[in-house]
Amino acid sequence: SQTIHQWPATLVQPVGSPLSLECTVEGTSNPNLYWYRQAAGRGLQLLFYSVGIGQISSEVPQNLSASRPQDRQFILSSKKLLLSDSGFYLCAWSVLDRRNFGPGTRLLVL
Amino acid sequence: KNEVEQSPQNLTAQEGEFITINCSYSVGISALHWLQQHPGGGIVSLFMLSSGKKKHGRLIATINIQEKHSSLHITASHPRDSAVYICAVGNNFNKFYFGSGTKLNVKP
Repeated sequence: SQTIHQWPATLVQPVGSPLSLECTVEGTSNPNLYWYRQAAGRGLQLLFYSVGIGQISSEVPQNLSASRPQDRQFILSSKKLLLSDSGFYLCAWSVLDRRNFGPGTRLLVL
Repeated sequence: KNEVEQSPQNLTAQEGEFITINCSYSVGISALHWLQQHPGGGIVSLFMLSSGKKKHGRLIATINIQEKHSSLHITASHPRDSAVYICAVGNNFNKFYFGSGTKLNVKP
């Protein structure tokens, strides 16, 4: 069965510090991978998606970036965090008509 | 106007009540998803619908493609059903539109 891992689960970072969130998928090959953000009291917003290694599409301009160094690894990064980057970050995968979300990372920028 | 509208935004029920959450959308879709988000934040996919009706335990989801409307029903609700329920539609996963969610609180 397919499993999706995210870490860390919770992160508190100062403004201006770098960020690296990792997502890995098990049990499937060549999935589409996605990063979503849910700001407090808001819906889910698609940040990035990837259809293959090294292929990243950005949905919204921001100070975040994403990379896919391996087939089942998706990384969300920032060089300098902003207060507005606080939120709940969800990684998701899809293969054909199967899809699911990871457990999420709660990020608080102070 | 949002592409996906959910109602109600908040719902409080007594244990055992029958619950209905509604979702209307304005875009053309190939599938609609009902998602469940618990207080910790994790999201679970409950149903994927492209037509008709699906049932899983006490949960029932229906969709009317012509009317662009879907409903999620919970029979014999229980406090453990308390969560945020999110409706999502899209032609493919990376172009999904999400509703703002319905926060359900089931009291014992």
